Formats: sequence, C-alpha cells, structure tokens
Amino acid sequence: EDQVTQSPEALRLQEGESSSLNCSYTVSGLRGLFWYRQDPGKGPEFLFTLYSAGEEKEKERLKATLTKKESFLHITAPKPEDSATYLCAVGGETSGSRLTFGEGTQLTVNP
Amino acid sequence: DSGVTQTPKHLITATGQRVTLRCSPRSGDLSVYWYQQSLDQGLQFLIQYYNGEERAKGNILERFSAQQFPDLHSELNLSSLELGDSALYFCASSLTPRGTEAFFGQGTRLTVV
Repeated sequence: EDQVTQSPEALRLQEGESSSLNCSYTVSGLRGLFWYRQDPGKGPEFLFTLYSAGEEKEKERLKATLTKKESFLHITAPKPEDSATYLCAVGGETSGSRLTFGEGTQLTVNP
Repeated sequence: DSGVTQTPKHLITATGQRVTLRCSPRSGDLSVYWYQQSLDQGLQFLIQYYNGEERAKGNILERFSAQQFPDLHSELNLSSLELGDSALYFCASSLTPRGTEAFFGQGTRLTVV
C-alpha cells in the first residue's frame, strides 16, 4: 500500500525566511510524485510532477526535488501570498490511477 | 482557474437524504476522479471514470455511486446520508487514464445535519 508522510504539519515563517517541506513516501513502482497547493475551502492547485530520483523542478519561489525515498519543496524568500497548505501525493504502478495524498503542511508566512 | 467545474458549491441536507454532485472536466480531458476530504482525513480517492467507463475504485461506500456521461461530465450520487458524510468532495480530471497530472475543481462542501 502506498504511503505518504509530510512534515512538519505546520510551519510559520517570516517573509523572506527560506525553508523546506518534506514528503516521505513508500510506493511500489513510482509512477509520479505530485505537489499541490491548497488554499482554505478551495481545490488543490497543481504545482509539479516529479518522475525519477534526482529530478528537480522550479516555479517562481518554489523548487521541488526528489530522491528514492522523499521529496522536498524548497521555498525561497517566501511572501505572505505563499501561505497555504502544500500537499504531496504519489501514484504507484500497482495502485492504478489513484493518487495517495499526505496530510499536508500548513504554511503561514508573516509579513 | 483549473477548468474543472463543480456544482453546487455548497449543499446542506438532512440525514437519510440523497444528493447528486456534478463535475464538468477540463476541455479534452477524458478521465474524471472523485475525492473526499474531511477534517480528520486527507484527500481520499473514491472512484475514477475514463471515457464513460469505471476505471478504478477506492474507498467508496456502497451508498455512493458515480457515472460519467457521453459528454464526459460526471455525477457522484450520495444516498442515505449520515452525519459523517459531511466533507468536501472534489472532482479532478486528466487527459490520460493514468492521470499523470490531475487538475482539481473547487469542490462541493456537503453538510449533513
């Protein structure tokens, strides 16, 4: 069974204070690891897909990296508008089309 | 805007009732997924349809059912509702059946009283 654990559960940063969110996973045959951003009461917004260890992707202040056991979402010089819950999900070869989501990291960036 | 449309946005109903949630996928996407998100649990996969046929089933209760119509929109039917069914229900769509990139709608918030 695919499993995803995200840490920390909550993170509070000052504007400009860089940090990283962690996503540890176990999956039988990684089909893809996905990062989403979710604002309160809204649907998850797709950010990145990573397919293999060593892969990195960037978007504005966000950079996602992948190893064989975990993924990191690095946030550089965050702004208050980056405040949201960040969700990590995996798709495994044996789990068909479903994504298994972690509980998320709730990020708050104070001005 | 992801391009996935869900209606209604909010729904309040009584225990024992039946409701229907509707989802229109992004233009061109053939695959539709339904997820449930409650306060004490993360996003839980319910069911997937691809081009009108059921493709995968997750933790979906027997009281719940779904279908995808020829125009590719999908409906999730929830019956004999219980208080514990109160949650956000999300629809997502992707181009392929493997769903390498799934895009989510804004959800339907269901409150059962």
